[in-house]
Amino acid sequence: DGGITQSPKYLFRKEGQNVTLSCEQNLNHDAMYWYRQDPGQGLRLIYYSQIVNDFQKGDIAEGYSVSREKKESFPLTVTSAQKNPTAFYLCASSVQGATVEQFFGPGTRLTVL
Amino acid sequence: AQSVTQPDIHITVSEGASLELRCNYSYGATPYLFWYVQSPGQGLQLLLKYFSGDTLVQGIKGFEAEFKRSQSSFNLRKPSVHWSDAAEYFCAVGANQAGTALIFGKGTTLSVSS
Repeated sequence: DGGITQSPKYLFRKEGQNVTLSCEQNLNHDAMYWYRQDPGQGLRLIYYSQIVNDFQKGDIAEGYSVSREKKESFPLTVTSAQKNPTAFYLCASSVQGATVEQFFGPGTRLTVL
Repeated sequence: AQSVTQPDIHITVSEGASLELRCNYSYGATPYLFWYVQSPGQGLQLLLKYFSGDTLVQGIKGFEAEFKRSQSSFNLRKPSVHWSDAAEYFCAVGANQAGTALIFGKGTTLSVSS
């Protein structure tokens, strides 16, 4: 089955540690996105990538980093510079730009202890 | 500034009653509009989308939405709500421009009472 997988589903981190969230898609989509979701805040764009080896900052990129070495994969690293990393993180992909449907993964809930 | 406003944070509807969720947008280019639904702890699922043409669009699960350019609105409707419709609903807007991403509203939580 085609789709987007995110792992792990739950992640716990100690303050000061970097952590990497995985996002893989087998839909052959060019574009991939990372969103952060907090209660009452909706979805806020962290980073997005339209093509391999290229990505752009979204609205809240500070404290995060990404890579896009393969079309299928778009990992997100939450660094120790992110002041309030506890949130629900959603990965999405689309065939091309924003005009078409974005398909979402099941999400990763990150909790900083 | 480009934005999406969902004025209702939380709505409660009786099972079998009709539903309307409001969405207003501010966007400089021709808008492409979407409604997504999210169950607790899950990802988002697309309900419907509007790109052009007929301003009344049909989606999955019996939902429909109407695009009104003069009011900058894209309200979601369902004639008869089922208990399984309880979820969070997000309106989003995008543009036909390379390098852009969707802008999401803050969501409306729907509760269904029996």
